Amino acid sequence: GEDVEQSLFLSVREGDSSVINCTYTDSSSTYLYWYKQEPGAGLQLLTYIFSNMDMKQDQRLTVLLNKKDKHLSLRIADTQTGDSAIYFCAEIGTGNQFYFGTGTSLTVIP
Amino acid sequence: DTGVSQDPRHKITKRGQNVTFRCDPISEHNRLYWYRQTLGQGPEFLTYFQNEAQLEKSRLLSDRFSAERPKGSFSTLEIQRTEQGDSAMYLCASSPKLGEQYFGPGTRLTVT
Repeated sequence: GEDVEQSLFLSVREGDSSVINCTYTDSSSTYLYWYKQEPGAGLQLLTYIFSNMDMKQDQRLTVLLNKKDKHLSLRIADTQTGDSAIYFCAEIGTGNQFYFGTGTSLTVIP
Repeated sequence: DTGVSQDPRHKITKRGQNVTFRCDPISEHNRLYWYRQTLGQGPEFLTYFQNEAQLEKSRLLSDRFSAERPKGSFSTLEIQRTEQGDSAMYLCASSPKLGEQYFGPGTRLTVT
Protein backbone atom coordinates (compact mmCIF):
# COMPACT_ATOMS: atom_id res chain seq x y z
CA GLY A 1 0.00 0.00 0.00
CA GLU A 2 0.90 3.65 -0.14
CA ASP A 3 3.32 4.96 2.46
CA VAL A 4 3.39 8.61 3.53
CA GLU A 5 6.12 9.63 5.93
CA GLN A 6 6.70 12.71 8.04
CA SER A 7 9.02 13.67 10.83
CA LEU A 8 7.21 13.60 14.16
CA PHE A 9 8.16 16.88 15.81
CA LEU A 10 9.17 20.42 14.92
CA SER A 11 9.78 23.40 17.20
CA VAL A 12 10.17 26.96 15.98
CA ARG A 13 10.24 30.40 17.54
CA GLU A 14 7.33 32.73 16.99
CA GLY A 15 7.93 34.86 13.92
CA ASP A 16 10.26 32.37 12.26
CA SER A 17 9.34 30.22 9.27
CA SER A 18 8.36 26.57 9.73
CA VAL A 19 9.01 23.92 7.13
CA ILE A 20 7.23 20.59 7.43
CA ASN A 21 8.34 17.81 5.12
CA CYS A 22 6.63 14.75 3.73
CA THR A 23 7.59 11.91 1.41
CA TYR A 24 5.14 9.67 -0.39
CA THR A 25 5.36 6.60 -2.56
CA ASP A 26 2.45 6.65 -5.00
CA SER A 27 3.71 8.32 -8.16
CA SER A 28 0.19 8.28 -9.59
CA SER A 29 -1.17 10.59 -6.88
CA THR A 30 -3.21 13.34 -8.46
CA TYR A 31 -3.56 15.58 -5.42
CA LEU A 32 -1.47 16.06 -2.32
CA TYR A 33 -2.80 17.74 0.78
CA TRP A 34 -1.92 19.41 4.01
CA TYR A 35 -4.32 19.17 6.93
CA LYS A 36 -4.11 20.77 10.38
CA GLN A 37 -5.44 19.13 13.53
CA GLU A 38 -5.70 21.00 16.80
CA PRO A 39 -6.19 19.15 20.09
CA GLY A 40 -9.64 17.60 20.34
CA ALA A 41 -10.65 18.86 16.91
CA GLY A 42 -11.21 17.33 13.50
CA LEU A 43 -8.92 17.78 10.55
CA GLN A 44 -8.95 21.12 8.78
CA LEU A 45 -7.94 21.25 5.14
CA LEU A 46 -5.21 23.88 4.81
CA THR A 47 -4.23 23.60 1.20
CA TYR A 48 -3.67 21.12 -1.59
CA ILE A 49 -1.63 20.95 -4.75
CA PHE A 50 -2.33 19.24 -8.01
CA SER A 51 0.40 16.89 -9.10
CA ASN A 52 1.30 18.88 -12.22
CA MET A 53 2.23 21.92 -10.13
CA ASP A 54 5.56 22.62 -8.46
CA MET A 55 4.47 25.30 -6.05
CA LYS A 56 1.37 26.83 -4.59
CA GLN A 57 1.21 29.87 -2.36
CA ASP A 58 -1.73 30.86 -0.19
CA GLN A 59 -1.09 33.79 2.16
CA ARG A 60 1.43 32.54 4.75
CA LEU A 61 1.46 29.01 3.34
CA THR A 62 3.73 27.81 0.54
CA VAL A 63 3.56 24.25 -0.75
CA LEU A 64 6.45 22.84 -2.75
CA LEU A 65 6.19 19.59 -4.69
CA ASN A 66 9.14 17.64 -6.08
CA LYS A 67 7.56 14.83 -8.07
CA LYS A 68 10.86 13.27 -9.02
CA ASP A 69 11.80 12.75 -5.36
CA LYS A 70 8.17 12.32 -4.23
CA HIS A 71 8.71 15.06 -1.68
CA LEU A 72 6.16 17.58 -0.46
CA SER A 73 6.78 20.45 1.93
CA LEU A 74 4.69 23.06 3.71
CA ARG A 75 6.29 26.34 4.65
CA ILE A 76 4.51 28.58 7.14
CA ALA A 77 5.84 32.12 7.13
CA ASP A 78 5.84 34.26 10.29
CA THR A 79 4.75 31.32 12.44
CA GLN A 80 2.34 32.24 15.24
CA THR A 81 1.44 30.45 18.47
CA GLY A 82 -1.94 29.67 16.93
CA ASP A 83 -0.15 27.57 14.35
CA SER A 84 0.79 25.03 17.03
CA ALA A 85 -0.96 21.83 15.97
CA ILE A 86 -0.37 18.52 14.23
CA TYR A 87 0.06 18.77 10.48
CA PHE A 88 -0.79 15.85 8.24
CA CYS A 89 0.34 15.29 4.72
CA ALA A 90 -2.01 13.17 2.59
CA GLU A 91 -2.21 11.82 -0.91
CA ILE A 92 -5.05 10.42 -2.90
CA GLY A 93 -4.03 7.12 -4.32
CA THR A 94 -5.59 4.87 -6.92
CA GLY A 95 -9.31 4.78 -6.55
CA ASN A 96 -10.62 7.17 -3.95
CA GLN A 97 -8.55 6.27 -0.93
CA PHE A 98 -6.72 8.97 0.93
CA TYR A 99 -3.47 8.03 2.66
CA PHE A 100 -2.27 10.14 5.56
CA GLY A 101 1.12 10.48 7.13
CA THR A 102 1.65 10.06 10.86
CA GLY A 103 1.58 13.80 11.39
CA THR A 104 4.16 16.40 12.45
CA SER A 105 3.58 18.07 15.79
CA LEU A 106 4.51 21.74 15.45
CA THR A 107 5.29 23.65 18.63
CA VAL A 108 5.68 27.41 18.39
CA ILE A 109 7.74 28.92 21.18
CA PRO A 110 6.72 32.46 22.14
CA ASP B 1 -23.54 25.15 11.01
CA THR B 2 -23.37 23.47 7.63
CA GLY B 3 -20.26 21.38 8.26
CA VAL B 4 -19.98 17.63 8.72
CA SER B 5 -21.50 16.49 12.01
CA GLN B 6 -20.99 13.25 13.91
CA ASP B 7 -22.92 11.71 16.74
CA PRO B 8 -22.10 10.86 19.44
CA ARG B 9 -18.89 12.76 20.08
CA HIS B 10 -17.83 10.28 22.75
CA LYS B 11 -18.83 6.69 23.41
CA ILE B 12 -17.68 4.41 26.20
CA THR B 13 -18.72 0.80 25.90
CA LYS B 14 -17.86 -2.56 27.41
CA ARG B 15 -16.03 -5.14 25.39
CA GLY B 16 -18.41 -7.32 23.43
CA GLN B 17 -21.12 -4.69 23.04
CA ASN B 18 -22.26 -3.28 19.70
CA VAL B 19 -21.96 0.41 18.91
CA THR B 20 -23.30 2.57 16.09
CA PHE B 21 -22.05 5.97 15.00
CA ARG B 22 -23.75 8.44 12.75
CA CYS B 23 -22.34 10.93 10.26
CA ASP B 24 -24.27 13.74 8.60
CA PRO B 25 -22.30 15.06 5.64
CA ILE B 26 -22.46 18.51 4.13
CA SER B 27 -25.67 18.56 2.14
CA GLU B 28 -25.28 17.76 -1.54
CA HIS B 29 -21.90 16.13 -1.02
CA ASN B 30 -22.27 12.81 -2.76
CA ARG B 31 -19.05 11.27 -1.45
CA LEU B 32 -18.62 10.13 2.13
CA TYR B 33 -15.61 8.55 3.84
CA TRP B 34 -14.99 6.86 7.17
CA TYR B 35 -11.57 6.80 8.82
CA ARG B 36 -10.12 5.54 12.08
CA GLN B 37 -7.44 7.46 13.92
CA THR B 38 -5.46 6.14 16.87
CA LEU B 39 -3.22 8.19 19.11
CA GLY B 40 -0.09 9.38 17.37
CA GLN B 41 -1.20 8.20 13.96
CA GLY B 42 -2.79 9.72 10.93
CA PRO B 43 -6.29 8.73 9.87
CA GLU B 44 -6.60 5.29 8.27
CA PHE B 45 -9.10 4.85 5.49
CA LEU B 46 -11.97 2.45 6.30
CA THR B 47 -14.60 2.84 3.61
CA TYR B 48 -16.02 5.14 0.95
CA PHE B 49 -19.52 5.79 -0.39
CA GLN B 50 -20.61 7.53 -3.53
CA ASN B 51 -24.26 8.35 -2.95
CA GLU B 52 -25.71 5.19 -1.39
CA ALA B 53 -23.20 2.80 -2.97
CA GLN B 54 -20.29 1.55 -0.88
CA LEU B 55 -17.54 1.54 -3.47
CA GLU B 56 -14.42 0.77 -1.47
CA LYS B 57 -13.56 -0.99 1.77
CA SER B 58 -10.19 -1.22 3.42
CA ARG B 59 -8.67 -4.53 4.39
CA LEU B 60 -8.67 -2.99 7.90
CA LEU B 61 -12.45 -3.28 7.96
CA SER B 62 -13.08 -6.65 9.58
CA ASP B 63 -16.41 -8.42 9.31
CA ARG B 64 -17.38 -6.91 12.68
CA PHE B 65 -17.58 -3.51 10.99
CA SER B 66 -20.41 -2.50 8.70
CA ALA B 67 -21.30 0.83 7.19
CA GLU B 68 -24.40 2.01 5.42
CA ARG B 69 -25.62 5.08 3.64
CA PRO B 70 -29.19 4.08 2.86
CA LYS B 71 -30.47 7.22 1.15
CA GLY B 72 -27.22 8.73 0.04
CA SER B 73 -27.33 11.30 2.82
CA PHE B 74 -26.31 10.35 6.39
CA SER B 75 -24.20 7.29 7.07
CA THR B 76 -23.85 4.88 9.98
CA LEU B 77 -20.86 2.83 11.05
CA GLU B 78 -21.59 -0.15 13.29
CA ILE B 79 -19.03 -2.17 15.19
CA GLN B 80 -20.24 -5.50 16.55
CA ARG B 81 -18.68 -7.33 19.48
CA THR B 82 -16.32 -4.48 20.24
CA GLU B 83 -12.76 -5.23 21.28
CA GLN B 84 -10.31 -3.04 23.18
CA GLY B 85 -8.33 -2.61 19.98
CA ASP B 86 -11.32 -0.80 18.48
CA SER B 87 -10.73 2.15 20.81
CA ALA B 88 -9.96 5.07 18.51
CA MET B 89 -11.35 8.24 17.01
CA TYR B 90 -13.72 7.50 14.14
CA LEU B 91 -13.75 10.29 11.59
CA CYS B 92 -16.20 10.97 8.83
CA ALA B 93 -15.51 13.20 5.85
CA SER B 94 -17.66 14.32 2.97
CA SER B 95 -16.69 15.52 -0.46
CA PRO B 96 -18.44 17.20 -3.37
CA LYS B 97 -15.89 15.92 -5.88
CA LEU B 98 -12.72 13.91 -6.15
CA GLY B 99 -9.87 15.69 -4.45
CA GLU B 100 -11.73 17.56 -1.72
CA GLN B 101 -12.61 16.31 1.75
CA TYR B 102 -14.13 18.04 4.73
CA PHE B 103 -13.89 16.29 8.07
CA GLY B 104 -16.29 16.10 10.96
CA PRO B 105 -15.18 16.41 14.60
CA GLY B 106 -15.06 12.64 15.08
CA THR B 107 -16.50 10.14 17.53
CA ARG B 108 -14.11 8.98 20.22
CA LEU B 109 -14.73 5.34 21.14
CA THR B 110 -13.37 3.85 24.34
CA VAL B 111 -13.83 0.11 24.85
CA THR B 112 -13.33 -1.00 28.46
